[in-house]
Amino acid sequence: DAGVIQSPRHEVTEMGQEVTLRCKPISGHNSLFWYRQTMMRGLELLIYFNNNVPIDDSGMPEDRFSAKMPNASFSTLKIQPSEPRDSAVYFCASTLQGGNTEAFFGQGTRLTVV
Amino acid sequence: KQEVTQIPAALSVPEGENLVLNCSFTDSAIYNLQWFRQDPGKGLTSLLLIQSSQREQTSGRLNASLDKSSGRSTLYIAASQPGDSATYLCAAANTGGFKTIFGAGTRLFVKA
Repeated sequence: DAGVIQSPRHEVTEMGQEVTLRCKPISGHNSLFWYRQTMMRGLELLIYFNNNVPIDDSGMPEDRFSAKMPNASFSTLKIQPSEPRDSAVYFCASTLQGGNTEAFFGQGTRLTVV
Repeated sequence: KQEVTQIPAALSVPEGENLVLNCSFTDSAIYNLQWFRQDPGKGLTSLLLIQSSQREQTSGRLNASLDKSSGRSTLYIAASQPGDSATYLCAAANTGGFKTIFGAGTRLFVKA
């Protein structure tokens, strides 16, 4: 397996634009997590899905952020409208069985909002 | 609310030295604790996962311990190598293992 795949790797956008980040988890994994990493706040859990169902989105900072998982092999994180303070590295991770097994992270998407 | 602290923030050691990285957490009701490695510009790689019922896990030159009563975990790296240079993060998971809180990490530099 190629591991967790995220796209794009880098995204530069203007303030106010819509941004969509994509993630393909490892085949057979039933849980998916979205994280955000910044120098100031470190690594923060935004939302996690179990069997394609959102379980906890309390980490999503604002209503401008939304996430979907339409099937077991694809998830999106959308920011609309984007703001400069959204600039960060966004990671997607998946696990075989919820929180019982190790997490596999993607390479991340570096988002810059100017 | 769970808080995870890692000490030291940065560490520089000569090659071959044994070293210990520390992680402390405020809520002892954790589901598991995981240690990760992060190389610059890359994602995180899981090193060791310790379930709440376990006291330690070992993988090669790495050994991680967990003491829930004191709210501490340590990552022991034996015979360090320049390739071990990276940032090491610990993460405590509550609520069935889903809700994970990360420490800020320890940046390790191993000098050749």
